[in-house]
This record gives sequence, structure tokens and C-alpha cells, in this order.
Amino acid sequence: SQTIHQWPATLVQPVGSPLSLECTVEGTSNPNLYWYRQAAGRGLQLLFYSVGIGQISSEVPQNLSASRPQDRQFILSSKKLLLSDSGFYLCACIGLAGDHNEQFFGPGTRLTVL
Amino acid sequence: DAKTTQPNSMESNEEEPVHLPCNHSTISGTDYIHWYRQLPSQGPEYVIHGLTSNVNNRMASLAIAEDRKSSTLILHRATLRDAAVYYCILRDVVSGSARQLTFGSGTQLTVLP
Repeated sequence: SQTIHQWPATLVQPVGSPLSLECTVEGTSNPNLYWYRQAAGRGLQLLFYSVGIGQISSEVPQNLSASRPQDRQFILSSKKLLLSDSGFYLCACIGLAGDHNEQFFGPGTRLTVL
Repeated sequence: DAKTTQPNSMESNEEEPVHLPCNHSTISGTDYIHWYRQLPSQGPEYVIHGLTSNVNNRMASLAIAEDRKSSTLILHRATLRDAAVYYCILRDVVSGSARQLTFGSGTQLTVLP
């Protein structure tokens, strides 16, 4: 089955600094990949999704960008972080599990912008 | 995808059954009912899904109303490790199987020792 790796697990960054979060996927090829953000005590907000290398769709206008340089690699970036970028960032893919499609999530990166 | 409604929070005692309700009155005939849960500081994980018939797996049971306008996730014996946010999500079986899920606010389950 699919395994999603994310790093770092936690990150504390000052306002205005750059950001790079990495996600890699094992156990599947050509997956649809997703970046979500979850603010404290809130639901999951879809930020970006990608159906293939170099193909990125943005769900909401924001300070962040995403890239997919390889089939199983998805990167979330920012040139200058804002306080509002703090949150729990989750990478996900959809894959076959038995007789149905499941959405698999990585362990997440908790970002605090100070 | 059609909308679901869940209570914001519920409490249960350890080792007792828990019934988590979900209303989905606008469900279409091709919508599957999915349940995911999110443990603290982790990503969501799949729990169970169904279409019309009740379903059982090692984690839980899913009871679906005859008119499919509501469903109930049943944890037969709650443990402290079941404390999580439980999400009820509809996904169209024809067009939605390759699309991401839309997560609402879910039900925060607290399990009391």
C-alpha cells in the first residue's frame, strides 16, 4: 500500500523567511497528490493538487506555491512566510486499497511562523 | 459532493459502544458514504465506507438508514486511543473515485476513562 513521507515534522520560522516542505510517496506510480493545511482546531483546507509531473492546480489564492519535479515528489514553498501561514500541513494521495480508492495522508508538518 | 451534517462533539466512556451520527439528506444514488478519523497531530485515516448495506470491519461498523439519508458509525468498545475527530464524507462512485475528499468539521470524540 501507499506510504507518504513528509519532512520536517515540525518547523519554526520567522515572518518573511522562505519555506520548503517536501513530500514523497512510495508504493504507487503516477499518483494524484494533494497539499492540505489545517489551522488549529479547524478542518482541512485543500491548497494544491497535482495530477502529474509539472501539473499544479491551486485551490485558493495565497502566499504559497507548489511544485512536482518528479512523479512521487511534491513540494510546498513560500518566498516570504506570513503569520497566517502557521498550521499543520498534510500531503495526501489517492490509491487503491482492496476494492476501493482511499485517500492516504502523510504524518504532517507542523509549521509555526513567529 | 453532497453535504453531510455531524455533531461538533460527543463523549463516551471507555469500553462502552459509541454511535456517531451523520445526516446526508441530499445524498444521491451514486454516493458512497465514507468515514475517516484524525487522531491528534496525525493525518486522517480511513475507517470504513458503504453504499446501501451495513458494513463491518476490524475498526468499526457502519449502519446505513434504509432511505440512505443518514448513517451511524459504531465503535463497539471505545478505547482511549479512539479519541479523534471523525469525518463523514460522501463521494460519488462514478465521478469521484479519483478526486480528493472534502472534509467538513467532523465530530470530536472524547473518550473518558
